[in-house]
Order: sequence, then structure tokens, then C-alpha cells
Amino acid sequence: DSGVTQTPKHLITATGQRVTLRCSPRSGDLSVYWYQQSLDQGLQFLIQYYNGEERAKGNILERFSAQQFPDLHSELNLSSLELGDSALYFCASSVGDFGTSGGNEQFFGPGTRLTVL
Amino acid sequence: LAKTTQPISMDSYEGQEVNITCSHNNIATNDYITWYQQFPSQGPRFIIQGYKTKVTNEVASLFIPADRKSSTLSLPRVSLSDTAVYYCLVGGKAAGNKLTFGGGTRVLVKP
Repeated sequence: DSGVTQTPKHLITATGQRVTLRCSPRSGDLSVYWYQQSLDQGLQFLIQYYNGEERAKGNILERFSAQQFPDLHSELNLSSLELGDSALYFCASSVGDFGTSGGNEQFFGPGTRLTVL
Repeated sequence: LAKTTQPISMDSYEGQEVNITCSHNNIATNDYITWYQQFPSQGPRFIIQGYKTKVTNEVASLFIPADRKSSTLSLPRVSLSDTAVYYCLVGGKAAGNKLTFGGGTRVLVKP
């Protein structure tokens, strides 16, 4: 158990819909990262927040957005869903900002499996 | 943006040493190299990280040559439970930083 929690575990929805994935980082961790893992794409970095501020962006689609709240939990919003958005979505957290001491060891949650029908 | 390349798969036997090399020719000055292990349907788990030369912990060693354009993860005396996918991650605290995972190497340890 990494200490990172993600809800829900599974989500089945239809094309065109909007969903929200939630992540609670480990106690004391200030950074939250979101990743997408699909069969043909491997692990794709989406976005990182550090203490409420957006820190880095990967190949995150404009239909996707995220935020980190004052209590440090984070939400990933996916809208206008397409079949190709079906994937495992992982959240990870680290003590510090990436690239700094304590920032490079990320602890991953169990993931949310999204199925778009 | 540092692109990483890893072998798709490797087979080994129990008790052997496994070495996985990740190429990252465009690594930036501030980038760190981190390796993760992932079992099916689980989130990746941190193994080791380094910036240059050699780093060793209780489960693995990481070798980084002087030019830092590649790195090698070494798993000593593997067991069946080391069968997993291993990813290298390159990234750092640079403006517009993007964390780039390699495609992953599927390691199969045979009895």
C-alpha cells in the first residue's frame, strides 16, 4: 500500500460524457502527478501539481483538466469522452517538487480504470 | 524533451543478474533518471534514481556513464517475483518540464 488513494476504482461511461477522478496523496506529500496508461501508449505523463500550483504539463488533451485543492487532494476532469480515452489513470505523489531532493520518488496509487463505451 | 528507449522484453533465469539499458540521448542538464517496477494492474513502484555515476540500494544498482545519454538498471540474482515491467523515467526541474517514461521493458524470470 503506497498510501495514495484513488477513487473510483472502476468507471464505465459513454462517449461524450464527463467524469471526475479523485486522488488523495500520501500524508505530507505536496506534489501530485497524473498519468494515463493505455495498452498501446504505455505510461503517459499528463500533469503535475505542487502545493496547489501547476508545475508541469505533459501531453494532456484540452478536454482534460486537473486541479489540486488546499487540502492537497487532486481531481482530474475528463470531458467529451471518446473511446480512445479508455485507460488506466494513475495518480502519484511525492514529498517535494520533481527534480528536487525528495521529489523524484513518486508513490503511485492503485489507479482508476476508465472504460468508455 | 528527453525521449527514452528501452528494449521491449528480456528473459532471464532465477539467480541471474538482469541488466536493462535505457537510452536518453536528449537528456537535459537538470534531468534525473529514475526507474520503476510495475506488476499487472498495479501502480508503478519506485526502484532507484540517480543523476550520474553509480547508485546502489538494497534492491538494485543504477549505472550512468559520464555523458548521461544512457543508464543501466542492474537487478542482482533475480527471482520469479521480479517478473514485471521496468520503466525508466527522465525528467528534472527545468522550465516546461515534462516527465518522460520509456516504453517499458517486460522482464520474464524463468525457473
